[in-house]
Amino acid sequence: AQSVTQLGSHVSVSEGALVLLRCNYSSSVPPYLFWYVQYPNQGLQLLLKYTSAATLVKGINGFEAEFKKSETSFHLTKPSAHMSDAAEYFCAATSGYALNFGKGTSLLVTP
Amino acid sequence: NAGVTQTPKFQVLKTGQSMTLQCAQDMNHEYMSWYRQDPGMGLRLIHYSVGAGITDQGEVPNGYNVSRSTTEDFPLRLLSAAPSQTSVYFCASSYSTWTANSPLHFGNGTRLTVT
Repeated sequence: AQSVTQLGSHVSVSEGALVLLRCNYSSSVPPYLFWYVQYPNQGLQLLLKYTSAATLVKGINGFEAEFKKSETSFHLTKPSAHMSDAAEYFCAATSGYALNFGKGTSLLVTP
Repeated sequence: NAGVTQTPKFQVLKTGQSMTLQCAQDMNHEYMSWYRQDPGMGLRLIHYSVGAGITDQGEVPNGYNVSRSTTEDFPLRLLSAAPSQTSVYFCASSYSTWTANSPLHFGNGTRLTVT
């Protein structure tokens, strides 16, 4: 099964600052990779996904992620944080029927 | 669009009681799954189904049963609830049984407490 590690369970940024959420995967074969966002008391929503078509993937709400095979990473970034970005973010990977999630990173945005 | 509907939203059980968490989707999705979310643990897959009549175990299946008699419904059964099953449960579905091809659509969750 694909294993996903998210570095940092909590990240705090100022409004307008760069957002960087880290995700590394463990696999000898690059999996399909996803970032999901969860707002309080809601289910998860897809932000973006990597399926080998392009290493830089753009998602919704200004987020993007870059797949780096040499680093087995798929970090999520946004140039300028907005208060509404405060949420929990999950990296996930699959090579088949089971989508495996990381433990999540809670993003706090301060004014 | 209703999407993925989970009922109930909240439930409190006593140890040893049984119950069924309901999940229904109206998108004609073949793939359905159940996850549990615990603090610091992320989401862990309990069971999944790639079509009516077909189910399989995920990472943490013990203590849970599922069945898939129709495309629309995928109930999760707790036969004898334990405090370790206190969690938030999410049902998710997707168009493709190959989860790389289509995103998961999540319900809003069922918050279960077992005392």
